Amino acid sequence: DTGVSQDPRHKITKRGQNVTFRCDPISEHNRLYWYRQTLGQGPEFLTYFQNEAQLEKSRLLSDRFSAERPKGSFSTLEIQRTEQGDSAMYLCASSFSGEGYEQYFGPGTRLTVT
Amino acid sequence: AQKVTQAQTEISVVEKEDVTLDCVYETRDTTYYLFWYKQPPSGELVFLIRRNSFDEQNEISGRYSWNFQKSTSSFNFTITASQVVDSAVYFCALSEAGGGATNKLIFGTGTLLAVQP
Repeated sequence: DTGVSQDPRHKITKRGQNVTFRCDPISEHNRLYWYRQTLGQGPEFLTYFQNEAQLEKSRLLSDRFSAERPKGSFSTLEIQRTEQGDSAMYLCASSFSGEGYEQYFGPGTRLTVT
Repeated sequence: AQKVTQAQTEISVVEKEDVTLDCVYETRDTTYYLFWYKQPPSGELVFLIRRNSFDEQNEISGRYSWNFQKSTSSFNFTITASQVVDSAVYFCALSEAGGGATNKLIFGTGTLLAVQP
């Protein structure tokens, strides 16, 4: 059983550079979520896809952030013009459609902006 | 607004002790779901349990048990006879329900459990 995978696991970038992360969900899941986790905090919701449609975006997701899920399978999260405040763990999760299904999380991508 | 509070930031116990992790939630929804996740030092969040708001039965799974009380808006988690491998950060989370719900999770700030040998 293949779980959620994320790539890369770690990314160090300089302020002002663009970065892109990839998430491959569990193949049977049509819902995909992105969360951000900073040190000592719980994950915070960023955005959500049902198949290829992006149905909700958090206010945390500034204009510098964009996410896609072009064929309803893998997803990418791009951050343009990175800032030091973007340093965090970016988590991807997937689930079945429907009410209350548990989400399964990937290992995360740890972003450090210097 | 929905909110989850985990007042215990850190708990340290000695192996074989029982430990209870507290979770208090706020929501105006009548239908909702509650979850517990474990985040070991490796970092990956591991799903432990889901409970819907209509099911107040307590649940036991091995050394783990959960106590859901709507009257006090609490969903507490007890580990019996703790082991070193239980050392992790534990998160309680809440999601909305109903038509069109995204099921996004609202997490608490987590409780770091350290089990000493």
